[in-house]
Amino acid sequence: DSGVTQTPKHLITATGQRVTLRCSPRSGDLSVYWYQQSLDQGLQFLIQYYNGEERAKGNILERFSAQQFPDLHSELNLSSLELGDSALYFCASSADTGIGNTIYFGEGSWLTVV
Amino acid sequence: DAKTTQPTSMDCAEGRAANLPCNHSTISGNEYVYWYRQIHSQGPQYIIHGLKNNETNEMASLIITEDRKSSTLILPHATLRDTAVYYCIARAGGTSYGKLTFGQGTILTVHP
Repeated sequence: DSGVTQTPKHLITATGQRVTLRCSPRSGDLSVYWYQQSLDQGLQFLIQYYNGEERAKGNILERFSAQQFPDLHSELNLSSLELGDSALYFCASSADTGIGNTIYFGEGSWLTVV
Repeated sequence: DAKTTQPTSMDCAEGRAANLPCNHSTISGNEYVYWYRQIHSQGPQYIIHGLKNNETNEMASLIITEDRKSSTLILPHATLRDTAVYYCIARAGGTSYGKLTFGQGTILTVHP
């Protein structure tokens, strides 16, 4: 158990809909990362937050947005969903942005768009 | 972030040591080498990391060459449960803010 909690574990929704994925980081971790893993793309970095502020952005679509709340949990919002958004979405956390601090991953949220 | 190169796949017999190589010839002096593994769509699992010195923990050993251009992850006594995709990552700070950039990794298959 990494200590990173993601909900829901599985989600099936229709095209055009909007979903919210939730992440609770490890206790005390200030930095949160979101990754997407689809069959043909591998693990892709989406976005990173540190103590409520966005720090780094990867290949995140404009239809996707995220935020980190004062209690440090984070949410990834996916809107106008398309079939191609079906993927595993991972949240990860670390104490801060220092590269000597380990990043721990949650078990992911499986999103299926039908 | 420095690019890393790993073999696409490797096999190992159960009980033997698994030695997974990684090339990172363009790594900069302040980039750490991290290893993660992913077992069949589970969340990536942290294994070990190092900067210059060799490192060992309860899971594995990491050997980094003196010029830091390559490294080897060693699983001393591989079991069937070690079958996974292993990722070697050169992790940078600065404008990368410490994010991990995953490549394709090495598919390690441990067989009886």
